[in-house]
Amino acid sequence: AQSVTQPDIHITVSEGASLELRCNYSYGATPYLFWYVQSPGQGLQLLLKYFSGDTLVQGIKGFEAEFKRSQSSFNLRKPSVHWSDAAEYFCAVGRLSGGGADGLTFGKGTHLIIQP
Amino acid sequence: DTGVSQDPRHKITKRGQNVTFRCDPISEHNRLYWYRQTLGQGPEFLTYFQNEAQLEKSRLLSDRFSAERPKGSFSTLEIQRTEQGDSAMYLCASSSLVRETQYFGPGTRLLVL
Repeated sequence: AQSVTQPDIHITVSEGASLELRCNYSYGATPYLFWYVQSPGQGLQLLLKYFSGDTLVQGIKGFEAEFKRSQSSFNLRKPSVHWSDAAEYFCAVGRLSGGGADGLTFGKGTHLIIQP
Repeated sequence: DTGVSQDPRHKITKRGQNVTFRCDPISEHNRLYWYRQTLGQGPEFLTYFQNEAQLEKSRLLSDRFSAERPKGSFSTLEIQRTEQGDSAMYLCASSSLVRETQYFGPGTRLLVL
């Protein structure tokens, strides 16, 4: 069975500082990996995804993530955070099935707090 | 594209009552997914459809839950004899077979009293 671990429940970062959110996955085959962000009262928005190819992927809002197969990790980074980045961040893993993706397995999320 | 829409956005019901939620996916998206999210947790997969066919159901989907997508467009999720433990946000997502990314709707928040 696949699983996702986000070790940090809460992270506090000063505005303008760099950010790294950790994600470790367990999956028997090549995973499809995603990072989603959820703001209060909002739906889940896709930040970026990894299917294959270059292990460093760029996403929206200045985020990037690096897939490291040897460490089973897919950490999310941003060089300089803005107050508007405060939200809940979810890492997810899925698999390709019949041309599309099947149900995703999500981590429990990391709550990002931005200090002024 | 218009996004994924869900109706209602909020539902309060009494224990034992039946509730039904609706999801309208992005047009022409073949796949439609249902997830449940409880407070402080990530979304948990419930089931998904490809067109009209229900391809996978999670063990979380008890006999009280049923989902349909009769014409391959919108979907409904019904919970019979609701229990307080059913209180959660129910999320719907859709994707195409060309692009695997799942796009989520705003969710239906259910409170069972």
